[in-house]
Amino acid sequence: DTGVSQNPRHKITKRGQNVTFRCDPISEHNRLYWYRQTLGQGPEFLTYFQNEAQLEKSRLLSDRFSAERPKGSFSTLEIQRTEQGDSAMYLCASSFANREVSDGYTFGSGTRLTVV
Amino acid sequence: DQQVKQNSPSLSVQEGRISILNCDYTNSMFDYFLWYKKYPAEGPTFLISISSIKDKNEDGRFTVFLNKSAKHLSLHIVPSQPGDSAVYFCAALGSGGSNYKLTFGKGTLLTVNP
Repeated sequence: DTGVSQNPRHKITKRGQNVTFRCDPISEHNRLYWYRQTLGQGPEFLTYFQNEAQLEKSRLLSDRFSAERPKGSFSTLEIQRTEQGDSAMYLCASSFANREVSDGYTFGSGTRLTVV
Repeated sequence: DQQVKQNSPSLSVQEGRISILNCDYTNSMFDYFLWYKKYPAEGPTFLISISSIKDKNEDGRFTVFLNKSAKHLSLHIVPSQPGDSAVYFCAALGSGGSNYKLTFGKGTLLTVNP
């Protein structure tokens, strides 16, 4: 297993366009998370899946954002009608339930989104 | 409202000396605290954690100290090496129904000079 994989690494899009990011977690991990990091800030929680069920969505996740994890494997994060304020690094992480403290999350390298 | 605070944006130390990275928190319900290291263009990497019922945890060159009454924790790196140069994030894990969600500080950029 090569860790958490995120694609694309970089995405530049025009304001108003839709974008979709993909995350492939570590295969045996049953929890998957999306975080967003803007310049000078730490990562902020967006949403969380346990297997295929989306169990929590942050208030940061407006109606333009949707995340899915079909079949409890990879996940996608879609942003519709992008705005300049959506420009950020989008981080995906995975973990094995209840081993977050001993093992930590495993983060991917992120997708850097720039909205122009 | 910033529940996890890292008040020093940057820290510079000489190779071989001790690096001390500080973190304060406001929510007494946090159960665990974790430290992550982040290199440019990479995701954060887990370093070490500590339970709220402990006051110290050590792993090789890394030691985390927790002062629960002061709501303060610190990460000590001894001896510091140039490869330790990175952004260090303090993060807290909630309790009960939020025991999966990390709350991060803004990070401290550590530079270890040869």
